[in-house]
Amino acid sequence: DGGITQSPKYLFRKEGQNVTLSCEQNLNHDAMYWYRQDPGQGLRLIYYSQIVNDFQKGDIAEGYSVSREKKESFPLTVTSAQKNPTAFYLCASSLNSGSYNEQFFGPGTRLTVL
Amino acid sequence: GQQVMQIPQYQHVQEGEDFTTYCNSSTTLSNIQWYKQRPGGHPVFLIQLVKSGEVKKQKRLTFQFGEAKKNSSLHITATQTTDVGTYFCAGPSNTGKLIFGQGTTLQVKP
Repeated sequence: DGGITQSPKYLFRKEGQNVTLSCEQNLNHDAMYWYRQDPGQGLRLIYYSQIVNDFQKGDIAEGYSVSREKKESFPLTVTSAQKNPTAFYLCASSLNSGSYNEQFFGPGTRLTVL
Repeated sequence: GQQVMQIPQYQHVQEGEDFTTYCNSSTTLSNIQWYKQRPGGHPVFLIQLVKSGEVKKQKRLTFQFGEAKKNSSLHITATQTTDVGTYFCAGPSNTGKLIFGQGTTLQVKP
């Protein structure tokens, strides 16, 4: 069954702790993305990767870091430098980074920092 | 910078009524995509429009791309409770990244 998985679905962390969100896809897609969604808001791009071992900052990259060591995996680390980390995080992938490709989204991780 | 705006932000309708959401870009777009996010779910791709003036239909949903390729609309005829959710439009930036509108959340009263 092809798709994107994110784990965990819900995550609670104490303020000041780094946390890593998992994103895995078996669609053989080259491009992967991380978005943040706040209540009543659209999707804001955090980081994206067009190919393995390469990634670029999106619009709100401060306080986040990523890696792309394997085609299937694009983990996101929310660091203690992120001032307001509580949000719904969505990972997505597309065949490649061309603008005509639809994006496939994972189920999301809801992060709450206490 | 480039912006994609959607109106209205929220819409409550009685089941059976029609619904329309509008999407406007600050720049001309090569294409526009529409996504639906059910409550508690994740966005799911609905459709892509590419040509100027293009109209596409999916059952009760009608999608239009403006002649100038700067605006788009989604119209739902005779809404049902299964239509509940947030509808997003998205257009590519000049670097190819997708820029999402803030979405229109549709509530349907049975």
